[in-house]
Amino acid sequence: DAGITQSPRHKVTETGTPVTLRCHQTENHRYMYWYRQDPGHGLRLIHYSYGVKDTDKGEVSDGYSVSRSKTEDFLLTLESATSSQTSVYFCAISQNDHRDSRMNTEAFFGQGTRLTVV
Amino acid sequence: GENVEQHPSTLSVQEGDSAVIKCTYSDSASNYFPWYKQELGKGPQLIIDIRSNVGEKKDQRIAVTLNKTAKHFSLHITETQPEDSAVYFCAARERQNFVFGPGTRLSVLP
Repeated sequence: DAGITQSPRHKVTETGTPVTLRCHQTENHRYMYWYRQDPGHGLRLIHYSYGVKDTDKGEVSDGYSVSRSKTEDFLLTLESATSSQTSVYFCAISQNDHRDSRMNTEAFFGQGTRLTVV
Repeated sequence: GENVEQHPSTLSVQEGDSAVIKCTYSDSASNYFPWYKQELGKGPQLIIDIRSNVGEKKDQRIAVTLNKTAKHFSLHITETQPEDSAVYFCAARERQNFVFGPGTRLSVLP
C-alpha cells in the first residue's frame, strides 16, 4: 500500500467549531488531493496541491481551506463546521510529470476520515 | 470541466456470471482512465487502468475497454466471486485532476 496516513480516522464535532484533518505521505508524490464521499455523489474534489504552498480549488471548495507547508503533509481545515460537511473525507496522492507522462501514476488513497458535525 | 457518468448504480449477479459497468466522459483531453474498488470502511484501491492510446486491457478476470471516439469506457469482470462484491468507481484524469463517476454497488450472490 502507498504510504498515506490520515488522522484522525473518526471525529465528531459541533456546528461552528473549526476542524483540521491531516494527510501525511511517505511517497514524495507531488500532487495531493482532498475528496469528500457522499452517497450518490461518489468522490468530489475539495482542494488539491501541486507542490509546497501551491494549492487550488476543486469542485466543492466552499467552506474549506487547505495548506501544504511540507511535501509530505496536506491539511484540510473546516473553518466553521456545518452539518452539511458531515461526510467521509479521503486524501489521495499522485505523481504527475508534465514533461514525461510515462511518470504519471494513478491516485493512491488513504483510509479515510469519517467526520460527523452535530 | 470533465464530467463522468457511470451506470448502473447497482448491479446484482449470480456467482460465476459476468458483470459490466459502463462510464462516459465529456472532455476529449482526458487521457487516463482508472477503475477503483472500494470495500466497506476502506479507501478506493486501483484494480485496472487504461491509457488513451490503448483500446483494451486485461488482467486475469478483469478487463477494461475504451472507445475514445464515443468517449465510453467499460469494466468487465468475468467469473464473478463473492469477494468481488464492493463499490466500483470509474475515473478520468483531466490534466492533473481525477474526476470520478458516482459509483456502482456490485453484489455477487452465491
